[in-house]
Amino acid sequence: GDSVTQMEGPVTLSEEAFLTINCTYTATGYPSLFWYVQYPGEGLQLLLKATKADDKGSNKGFEATYRKETTSFHLEKGSVQVSDSAVYFCALSARIQGAQKLVFGQGTRLTINP
Amino acid sequence: NAGVTQTPKFQVLKTGQSMTLQCAQDMNHEYMSWYRQDPGMGLRLIHYSVGAGITDQGEVPNGYNVSRSTTEDFPLRLLSAAPSQTSVYFCASSYRGGAFEQYFGPGTRLTVT
Repeated sequence: GDSVTQMEGPVTLSEEAFLTINCTYTATGYPSLFWYVQYPGEGLQLLLKATKADDKGSNKGFEATYRKETTSFHLEKGSVQVSDSAVYFCALSARIQGAQKLVFGQGTRLTINP
Repeated sequence: NAGVTQTPKFQVLKTGQSMTLQCAQDMNHEYMSWYRQDPGMGLRLIHYSVGAGITDQGEVPNGYNVSRSTTEDFPLRLLSAAPSQTSVYFCASSYRGGAFEQYFGPGTRLTVT
């Protein structure tokens, strides 16, 4: 079935470091891909999305490119800040048993130290 | 525009008690869903609805009931709470079509003792 695999955390970086969080997926057809962010004590917020191959989603300095050939959607940021500390979820949308659903990865906890 | 709202924010129940978690959205979204989030388990789909009067089971439906009498509201009922239902519960909504991104509420943290 459809699934999403994220790199295991936790990830700890220093401020201004380069960030990559790996995400790969398995899906039939051509799903849309998403990154969500969850700050402590809050719900999930959509960070960025891509709907077709080679699309690049971007928001708040974060970027991810939909790579069909490697079935990947890695999240990157050039210079992280303490305020980026959160849990990040990769997800895909898929039609499962006749209904559209989101399939989530396990989440990656990111901590940025000043 | 409040988005997706959930009440209560926190709840403590004793084993065997029942309660309803409330969820409402003001975006006129057709699709609504309930997830639970447990440490190391990511998000798991409990129930979902593709429109008023239509509901279906997700990945972990046992012990939960839902109904959808209006577009705006999608309550989740725990019939007889068990310690295994201790979790954080999120409601989400989306419009039909497009990329199907979902918009999440702030969550309800439930503890069953």
